[in-house]
Amino acid sequence: DQQVKQNSPSLSVQEGRISILNCDYTNSMFDYFLWYKKYPAEGPTFLISISSIKDKNEDGRFTVFLNKSAKHLSLHIVPSQPGDSAVYFCAASGSNTGKLIFGQGTTLQVKP
Amino acid sequence: EADIYQTPRYLVIGTGKKITLECSQTMGHDKMYWYQQDPGMELHLIHYSYGVNSTEKGDLSSESTVSRIRTEHFPLTLESARPSHTSQYLCASSDLSRGTKNYGYTFGSGTRLTVV
Repeated sequence: DQQVKQNSPSLSVQEGRISILNCDYTNSMFDYFLWYKKYPAEGPTFLISISSIKDKNEDGRFTVFLNKSAKHLSLHIVPSQPGDSAVYFCAASGSNTGKLIFGQGTTLQVKP
Repeated sequence: EADIYQTPRYLVIGTGKKITLECSQTMGHDKMYWYQQDPGMELHLIHYSYGVNSTEKGDLSSESTVSRIRTEHFPLTLESARPSHTSQYLCASSDLSRGTKNYGYTFGSGTRLTVV
């Protein structure tokens, strides 16, 4: 019973174009969502987050959109750069336990 | 500059050996976590702690054990390593600062464990 799902294992885009990574969740108690970037053999690096009271949060080239009714969030990267190539995880939390529930990750490849 | 440190970064060890993966943080966070991650899979929470002398098992069953004798230190131990324990182990800490962008959540660089 996976509560956070990233259904696309991989995504390939051309440099300069938009990358859209998707994430679905099932638990309506989740109220905070985060995106992480991860390279092999390294720990996840925080990218951007959004609270359930918002539907959009923007930070430079990264924008996260939250659709609570659809239990869906997406990460937009514009413009995509080769250095963005990595595995991207979405994560969700719904209590003060601090336990993050992660999706399976999407491997993004940005081609020069 | 890392505020949470994991050692070793890489470890190759024989079956049956006892190992301890170290994790230390300098942020004074009460809450600390161990996640396990295999390639192409999600991060699974295997242990967490809300403070000194407090430890709980996570959502994924693990044969490892943890201890929290000091706030800054949260080591993970495998009494008898097996090839099935081969994975990446990630330590994190948090103060659940929801006012901060990252939820007050910081990960270490991880330990890549290979049991042969």
